[in-house]
Amino acid sequence: SAVISQKPSRDICQRGTSLTIQCQVDSQVTMMFWYRQQPGQSLTLIATANQGSEATYESGFVIDKFPISRPNLTFSTLTVSNMSPEDSSIYLCSVVSGARGYTFGSGTRLTVV
Amino acid sequence: QKEVEQDPGPLSVPEGAIVSLNCTYSNSAFQYFMWYRQYSRKGPELLMYTYSSGNKEDGRFTAQVDKSSKYISLFIRDSQPSDSATYLCAMTVYGGATNKLIFGTGTLLAVQP
Repeated sequence: SAVISQKPSRDICQRGTSLTIQCQVDSQVTMMFWYRQQPGQSLTLIATANQGSEATYESGFVIDKFPISRPNLTFSTLTVSNMSPEDSSIYLCSVVSGARGYTFGSGTRLTVV
Repeated sequence: QKEVEQDPGPLSVPEGAIVSLNCTYSNSAFQYFMWYRQYSRKGPELLMYTYSSGNKEDGRFTAQVDKSSKYISLFIRDSQPSDSATYLCAMTVYGGATNKLIFGTGTLLAVQP
């Protein structure tokens, strides 16, 4: 199955600033997925990132707040913009990995103060 | 009403116990069901997946799907302290990469030695 490297693993940020999370996969994949995992809540899909096209955002998530880049088939970034304490969460990237289904990165634990 | 409901626990059992973890869902179109295990500070890892009603066994783990009741279960036999983690159910309408996963909130399991 694919191996995903995600960084940073954690960060503490000031409100109003932005953080860019990187996701590197060890193989080429068509789609990469960005999820948010808030305490006590379900993993929620933010957007699907295809190489060479605009990301597709789920209801409740907008590009201005969560811009995504997908410059090639092994890499993507998610930016959390103009952060507020409500953005404190774990952010995970994921890819479809053959017969093993969806593989996830270890996540980025974000705290906004 | 959430599409997928899962008791968050925590669930504490002694080593060697049989553990039963459950999810209910409301969307009858779901046909691809998964269980993920998530250790602290790690991303979810796929444990099992099933396509249809019935049982699927893999070592100490058994996944059960009852589509008529919209109910899925994961059984862990001879539970071990290393099974202590959060268990997430997930499901999707189709099995392909283009269809997003809908997750339960996860059940925190602690197996006491």
